[in-house]
Amino acid sequence: EAGVAQSPRYKIIEKRQSVAFWCNPISGHATLYWYQQILGQGPKLLIQFQNNGVVDDSQLPKDRFSAERLKGVDSTLKIQPAKLEDSAVYLCASSLGLASSTDTQYFGPGTRLTVL
Amino acid sequence: AQSVTQLDSQVPVFEEAPVELRCNYSSSVSVYLFWYVQYPNQGLQLLLKYLSGSTLVESINGFEAEFNKSQTSFHLRKPSVHISDTAEYFCAVSEETSGSRLTFGEGTQLTVNP
Repeated sequence: EAGVAQSPRYKIIEKRQSVAFWCNPISGHATLYWYQQILGQGPKLLIQFQNNGVVDDSQLPKDRFSAERLKGVDSTLKIQPAKLEDSAVYLCASSLGLASSTDTQYFGPGTRLTVL
Repeated sequence: AQSVTQLDSQVPVFEEAPVELRCNYSSSVSVYLFWYVQYPNQGLQLLLKYLSGSTLVESINGFEAEFNKSQTSFHLRKPSVHISDTAEYFCAVSEETSGSRLTFGEGTQLTVNP
């Protein structure tokens, strides 16, 4: 079974530029998550989709971050414009069930973003 | 809202020594507890989880964790570590009333030296 795929693996941009990350979850997984992991910290949930609807985006900085999950499969996360403090690893995860608290989340390798 | 505290940011040990990585949580409702491991340049992988039943849970590679409700802890232990166990370990919690939202601790870097 293929795991969660993410691209690109690394991205370097200057502040005020825009950037987009792509995620393809495990086939058949209903729920998709985007996390931000700043160096030295644990992952923080940015947004959660159930199929193609948003379940939780309470910690997403909506003035600059946006995400979509078209057709309930793959997803993109965009930052526009980027700030220095957005430098982090962006992790995508998916789970089989419909956002149950007992679900196991499967993580992709992440995209490491550096904002100069 | 729940929170997770991992008491040690770095734990260096020698090969074949025992290790304990500590995790405490706070929540006002029932919780489910997870340990994830992150090897260099890889995503997080589930190591073990506590959902219900026996408070002692085990992984396939010799780790175990015990849920202690009175002390609100979920410490991870291994009686004898290998070089290959070197990684970052994250404790995480989900609440029964909050769906699958996970709150992670800040991680513990386990370094196993020869």
